[in-house]
Amino acid sequence: DVKVTQSSRYLVKRTGEKVFLECVQDMDHENMFWYRQDPGLGLRLIYFSYDVKMKEKGDIPEGYSVSREKKERFSLILESASTNQTSMYLCASRIPRTVLSSNQPQHFGDGTRLSIL
Amino acid sequence: AQKITQTQPGMFVQEKEAVTLDCTYDTSDQSYGLFWYKQPSSGEMIFLIYQGSYDEQNATEGRYSLNFQKARKSANLVISASQLGDSAMYFCAENAGNNRKLIWGLGTSLAVNP
Repeated sequence: DVKVTQSSRYLVKRTGEKVFLECVQDMDHENMFWYRQDPGLGLRLIYFSYDVKMKEKGDIPEGYSVSREKKERFSLILESASTNQTSMYLCASRIPRTVLSSNQPQHFGDGTRLSIL
Repeated sequence: AQKITQTQPGMFVQEKEAVTLDCTYDTSDQSYGLFWYKQPSSGEMIFLIYQGSYDEQNATEGRYSLNFQKARKSANLVISASQLGDSAMYFCAENAGNNRKLIWGLGTSLAVNP
């Protein structure tokens, strides 16, 4: 079974802090994703990475950065946390989309509920 | 732009009955895939079922099946014999063309009554 592990289920930080959310997958997946989920807004893509050291902005990258130094780890960084970044953060991974793998789903971690005070 | 529409914000169903959750999409691509996920109150996203645009048969996975109507651009999830543990949010998502990303609907909240 695919295992995607997020470092914390619950996290409380203060405004202005630099916050790191870590995500590790154990299936040698090349694609990794960070989403935030807010009531009534569904899942919104922050950043994704299709290979080591590669990244692309998603729909809401402002206020965030990412790091992918190793294939199995994808980190989300809140450079200076603000209260409007209080949210549920979900990490996902999947293999590359090829003709043979178009049916492969994204696999998710358990999520991190982040509160910025 | 691609868009996924789930028109039912909330649904109720009696235990052991079947329920259909609606999903429509508007891609112009010929090759695409549709995914359904379940999210219990604990928060994890669980993959349920996949339907490819070229699949001739409706996808089935245990008690889950897809009512795929390509001409109408709909991929409705059918849950048969509902159980209390089916109470959750359900999300429909699309992966079209060469896009590595998924386009997500806003979800439907399902409550199964005993």
